[in-house]
Order: sequence, then C-alpha cells, then structure tokens
Amino acid sequence: DAMVIQNPRYQVTQFGKPVTLSCSQTLNHNVMYWYQQKSSQAPKLLFHYYDKDFNNEADTPDNFQSRRPNTSFCFLDIRSPGLGDAAMYLCATSSTGPSRGNQPQHFGDGTRLSIL
Amino acid sequence: AQKITQTQPGMFVQEKEAVTLDCTYDTSDQSYGLFWYKQPSSGEMIFLIYQGSYDEQNATEGRYSLNFQKARKSANLVISASQLGDSAMYFCAMREGGDYKLSFGAGTTVTVRA
Repeated sequence: DAMVIQNPRYQVTQFGKPVTLSCSQTLNHNVMYWYQQKSSQAPKLLFHYYDKDFNNEADTPDNFQSRRPNTSFCFLDIRSPGLGDAAMYLCATSSTGPSRGNQPQHFGDGTRLSIL
Repeated sequence: AQKITQTQPGMFVQEKEAVTLDCTYDTSDQSYGLFWYKQPSSGEMIFLIYQGSYDEQNATEGRYSLNFQKARKSANLVISASQLGDSAMYFCAMREGGDYKLSFGAGTTVTVRA
C-alpha cells in the first residue's frame, strides 16, 4: 500500500545533541510537511516543501531545519534539542494535482521525541 | 482570528450511541474544503471524511457523516453507533481557496464507554 513512513517511531536524545527524524513516501506527492504536536494540542506546522521549494513558517525556531533530497524522502533536523522540543513529530504529504481540492493530507504514524 | 473552532474539549459517549462533534470555521473564500481526522492515543492521524464548499450533499463515509451548514459555517462530525475503538482525539481542519496547507482546530477528545 502506498503510504507515509516515519522512522523511528520513538526517539530519545540528550539535551543539546543533534537529532534527525526521517520521513519517506510512496505516494509520489509533491508536497511534504513537518508538524510538531505537543500533548493534547493541534499539530503545528513547522515547514513544508513544495517540490524542492522550502517554506518555513514564520514562528518556526531556527533550531529546526529540513532537507528533501528527492521526492520520496524528507528529513527534520533539530540542531540542539531543548526540553521544550519533546513532542510528537508528524510528517504528511499532499498532491497539488488537478483534483487536489478534495484530497486529504496523508500522515505518517509520527515520531515521538523525548529529550533527556 | 481562529479559523477553526472546536468548542468541546472532551466528550463521553456510551457504546452504540451516536455522538456529534462540533466544528465552526471562518473564511472569506468561496472555495474551501473541510476535513476531519481521528488521532488515537498511538499518535497516527487518520483521515475520516471530506466536505467541499460547493458540495450540495452532506458527506458520508460508513459510520461517519458530516452535517454541513454553510450559512452557519459549521461542519459537525456525526459518529453513529459508537464503538470502543472510536475513543480518540478528533480534529477538524480547513483548506482555503488555492492554499494547500491545513488549519486545524484544537481537537475534541472522545471517550466511548462500554
């Protein structure tokens, strides 16, 4: 089945130690998103790629960066994680094709990040 | 201003009963789409149902139906015959006009009791 896959499912890192989360998709969607979600809150968009074009949300901290080496893969890099960065990180994809209007974003299962 | 408002932080429902989750939205676009997602405690976001602003009929998907009242700018989700597996957080979201990003509401936690 076509899907969005996030690895790892759980990630533990130390305060200040860089960490990378990965996302891959088999849907061939041109847009990929990274969301941060804290407990009992709505997902918060960090940034997204429209094809190769990177779009940062205005309030995304500089500590968060992303790479999209090809259509299928996207990475979230946290350069110096702080305790406040402990959260669920969700990757999603969508298509901007002709019938995109009614097409939902497809989400991965998320990576739950803990900071020691 | 909030684009999506979900006023019910949490709800309890008895198994086999129906439950309605409220969602109101705010947009000046004529073309928009409304989505409902389910998020169990395991964390994955599961797409449930979609309603387009030009759709004349309310959307239905199995036990899920969307009560779309355009003049009131509401898009309530109805879950019929609740099951224990329906216990989750439910998010209403909107895509406006030519944008492809989603605006999410704060979510409603549903707990189904046996």
